[in-house]
Amino acid sequence: DAGITQSPRYKITETGRQVTLMCHQTWSHSYMFWYRQDLGHGLRLIYYSAAADITDKGEVPDGYVVSRSKTENFPLTLESATRSQTSVYFCASTSPLTSPEINEQFFGPGTRLTVL
Amino acid sequence: EDQVTQSPEALRLQEGESSSLNCSYTVSGLRGLFWYRQDPGKGPEFLFTLYSAGEEKEKERLKATLTKKESFLHITAPKPEDSATYLCAVRISGYALNFGKGTSLLVTP
Repeated sequence: DAGITQSPRYKITETGRQVTLMCHQTWSHSYMFWYRQDLGHGLRLIYYSAAADITDKGEVPDGYVVSRSKTENFPLTLESATRSQTSVYFCASTSPLTSPEINEQFFGPGTRLTVL
Repeated sequence: EDQVTQSPEALRLQEGESSSLNCSYTVSGLRGLFWYRQDPGKGPEFLFTLYSAGEEKEKERLKATLTKKESFLHITAPKPEDSATYLCAVRISGYALNFGKGTSLLVTP
């Protein structure tokens, strides 16, 4: 499928378990991002990546790990899930080369994660 | 610290009743202000990018404007299908975005 996809769309897990959320984009965009969205906080940046093997922390990185071995994939891992990580997670991508005047980010459909 | 504040938090309009949403921002050197629309259960969808004070962008019933301290999203003669949450964001490190909390718009027939 063309575009940006996330899997799973819904996940229920227990405190202390490791969880990996997947993000895949077909545009070969260099930049990819992970955000979480919570009531009262809006969208907050967790991590971002400028290219394969280049990642950087955002506003709320604690408890999360990312990797980017291939341009099209950007998985987000919760090493030991906590209840405070219950949220909706959005992946996004952009390329400064394809739309330099606009620089829009394209968002995936989101993953709703519940940590019990 | 870059900050984005949107108001009101929620807005209810009757069909055809024009209004404006506000986004005030505090950044050192604006590198882009973005408006997105988000429908329930979906990811944000891009609407506009603004870079300079005085700049305006239009799309159907929506018009975005920018000053040195705030941006407005004007909605002219809204329809029920315009109901959504509207998000404002500023570009920060690299091409990442710092979002406001959004304005939830409901347009009733």
